[in-house]
Amino acid sequence: DADVTQTPRNRITKTGKRIMLECSQTKGHDRMYWYRQDPGLGLRLIYYSFDVKDINKGEISDGYSVSRQAQAKFSLSLESAIPNQTALYFCATSEPGQGETGELFFGEGSRLTVL
Amino acid sequence: AQSVTQLGSHVSVSEGALVLLRCNYSSSVPPYLFWYVQYPNQGLQLLLKYTSAATLVKGINGFEAEFKKSETSFHLTKPSAHMSDAAEYFCAVSDITGGFKTIFGAGTRLFVKA
Repeated sequence: DADVTQTPRNRITKTGKRIMLECSQTKGHDRMYWYRQDPGLGLRLIYYSFDVKDINKGEISDGYSVSRQAQAKFSLSLESAIPNQTALYFCATSEPGQGETGELFFGEGSRLTVL
Repeated sequence: AQSVTQLGSHVSVSEGALVLLRCNYSSSVPPYLFWYVQYPNQGLQLLLKYTSAATLVKGINGFEAEFKKSETSFHLTKPSAHMSDAAEYFCAVSDITGGFKTIFGAGTRLFVKA
């Protein structure tokens, strides 16, 4: 089983609908991230959480919200989806503490299409 | 602020030829540098990382990268390309001033011709 699991893997929805992407991890890492991948733009950070009580905006948080339900769970919501939110979304984790480097461990991605 | 520039959105090589993917970074403090690979319909996996030890870093599948501080570069190489190397490659940087958040380059798609 994957250490970082994302659901759904694929989703097609319509403009204005609310969408939730879920991420769960078994790595025991405190830090979790949501990235968005667009062709030619690489991965951009949407939100990140360094522990259950800590939520931070990334560089492109507008139109998104997150919830850290537990150490192992971090969900991303689009309250009212729009077509330019069509993208591949990745959840990732990292391990803090001594020797921290920022190395990320990724889920397999959630492909979202907004019509 | 940190940033990463990958030169060339697409690189095409023949099987058996040298692979060279270029990456330049910007960081105000000593950085940690990474190369990740993404195969079709998969997530990203770590290829190799530089963490201030040896400047020449060896990774999986025969890839290596050299950290050159004077050139602010971290280019990825492989002596002989294999068809299975066809994928998208991302260079990334993190450092302590950014709270170890990772910043990615735009990616380079590698094509390998038979």
